[in-house]
Amino acid sequence: QKEVEQNSGPLSVPEGAIASLNCTYSDRGSQSFFWYRQYSGKSPELIMFIYSNGDKEDGRFTAQLNKASQYVSLLIRDSQPSDSATYLCAFKRAGSYQLTFGKGTKLSVIP
Amino acid sequence: EAQVTQNPRYLITVTGKKLTVTCSQNMNHEYMSWYRQDPGLGLRQIYYSMNVEVTDKGDVPEGYKVSRKEKRNFPLILESPSPNQTSLYFCASSPLWGRASTDTQYFGPGTRLTVL
Repeated sequence: QKEVEQNSGPLSVPEGAIASLNCTYSDRGSQSFFWYRQYSGKSPELIMFIYSNGDKEDGRFTAQLNKASQYVSLLIRDSQPSDSATYLCAFKRAGSYQLTFGKGTKLSVIP
Repeated sequence: EAQVTQNPRYLITVTGKKLTVTCSQNMNHEYMSWYRQDPGLGLRQIYYSMNVEVTDKGDVPEGYKVSRKEKRNFPLILESPSPNQTSLYFCASSPLWGRASTDTQYFGPGTRLTVL
């Protein structure tokens, strides 16, 4: 069964704070995990991917993966108003051609 | 400029009137896919194509058709649209989808379809 759960939010954080976005998945065959950002009325754009347990950092973004707990998260440090968007997590099974998305978490960064 | 294009961007039509939404990519990607996005339901995959003449159903294929006669184009066809197909549609492409852990999908700008 393919399923991705995300807190729909909205999640509100003050400017400069750390925003924490979480995602759980039920498919233990999941291999790769992706975080996409989608501004209102726009198409999704990839922020980060992760496929090994642990943390992966890229600028202000850190993705964390725990396959044993079936949990992936995205931390945004020093949040900016321009980070206000909906964040979609997604996963892909090994060898699969399909990408399964969560419903997204809406983030608002308050100036 | 490397991109995925979709046309039209906005379309209002009536029930039963056949329509085609075009998708084209200029990145020589093998993999292309169609998604629909609905409030509260997120992004759901309709059809995908691993290469020319190779297509397969996604999670919500009913009421849709696709074809992949050329590598760059992947049109979505609604033979007899119904109001429940009112949605935001995205086309996406990827160079190596399925073969590498880290390949990613590039999305088009979206087509907002309203079926009355």
